[in-house]
Amino acid sequence: GAGVSQTPSNKVTEKGKYVELRCDPISGHTALYWYRQSLGQGPEFLIYFQGTGAADDSGLPNDRFFAVRPEGSVSTLKIQRTERGDSAVYLCASKPQGAGYGYTFGSGTRLTVV
Amino acid sequence: GESVGLHLPTLSVQEGDNSIINCAYSNSASDYFIWYKQESGKGPQFIIDIRSNMDKRQGQRVTVLLNKTVKHLSLQIAATQPGDSAVYFCAENKNPGANNLFFGTGTRLTVIP
Repeated sequence: GAGVSQTPSNKVTEKGKYVELRCDPISGHTALYWYRQSLGQGPEFLIYFQGTGAADDSGLPNDRFFAVRPEGSVSTLKIQRTERGDSAVYLCASKPQGAGYGYTFGSGTRLTVV
Repeated sequence: GESVGLHLPTLSVQEGDNSIINCAYSNSASDYFIWYKQESGKGPQFIIDIRSNMDKRQGQRVTVLLNKTVKHLSLQIAATQPGDSAVYFCAENKNPGANNLFFGTGTRLTVIP
């Protein structure tokens, strides 16, 4: 597609449940990022993929969070045993290799844990 | 109109006036800075960037100024339009060589018709 696509756009889940958030990057973009944005705050880095591998996962808050990108395109962010504090907008971004920091963000998935 | 980012997170300007949005960044080692615009329900959208070896860069209706001495960044929008209403974030690469950005809290710009 023309832009970064994220699904679902909204997700409401109960505390303790498992959720998966999907990101379809721009075709041909090798780099993919996940950020988390809490209400009234700027985005916070979670994880960066170059191709299929997680090149930097230093932003993942704890081991309940995990992300994969098995074929170097679509990525899934997985959250186990969700907590109310996980409620936020989860943003995905992608960029071509060597494009510096000029990445394109998707519209995000708003996750609400009740 | 002018804001100081964290201290004045909202800025209201009259349509047609110039806007100045300020940002204090934290790491003197940062060598790349970006301004993003975020409209409600959308992801951040790239506006303009600047490297630390520059002190000014101009785009279409926007200018970014960088003062490394006081670690200050500003975004100037000329002839502000209603479509400029959004939250504006500055971002820096605190770890040059890494690929992630650190975002500020943001400033909400409201353009009054």
